[in-house]
Amino acid sequence: GAVVSQHPSWVICKSGTSVKIECRSLDFQATTMFWYRQFPKQSLMLMATSNEGSKATYEQGVEKDKFLINHASLTLSTLTVTSAHPEDSSFYICSARDSGPRAEAFFGQGTRLTVV
Amino acid sequence: AQTVTQSQPEMSVQEAETVTLSCTYDTSESDYYLFWYKQPPSRQMILVIRQEAYKQQNATENRFSVNFQKAAKSFSLKISDSQLGDAAMYFCAYRPPSGNTGKLIFGQGTTLQVKP
Repeated sequence: GAVVSQHPSWVICKSGTSVKIECRSLDFQATTMFWYRQFPKQSLMLMATSNEGSKATYEQGVEKDKFLINHASLTLSTLTVTSAHPEDSSFYICSARDSGPRAEAFFGQGTRLTVV
Repeated sequence: AQTVTQSQPEMSVQEAETVTLSCTYDTSESDYYLFWYKQPPSRQMILVIRQEAYKQQNATENRFSVNFQKAAKSFSLKISDSQLGDAAMYFCAYRPPSGNTGKLIFGQGTTLQVKP
């Protein structure tokens, strides 16, 4: 399968600072990328969907100004958690897919964010 | 709205035995995709098997097979000859028909324990 690389794998930041997470498709063009959040032993909750060159579509209840998503190229999307607080601590996962109805979505390895 | 339900939070199986994980979903669409993903302790999401709703034949991937009952909106996963490496959290997922962004809707997950 295709490879999606997510960086960093884990990050610790101070409350009030911002942190950026990158998601790259290494061997295919990712028309669409998805950002999920996962709490321990729970399911993946979709935060937003981004298409290259367009503004992200956020799911209900997700703060657009807190979770900034940029999908500037067909191989890179970034999630920036702004003014992070301890309650933002979580596991964040990206996935990417090519165009076409049968295209698979491939997942990054995830980023564990801890806000202290 | 489409929903995916996994009613078994935890399951256990003896090594080399067979186990079935349940999944039901709700949709008014006739053409869609269903998936089972495995999330081991590393938390990397791994695609186990996929099923296209228009195909009547149940998908099979080595020791993994599904029982797809479209009318009942049921999509169970059978793992044969269970191995210690099968221990993980398993997620059932639904993807709407083509033309959509391709976002996945996940069930709550089932934690599978494999006993030696």
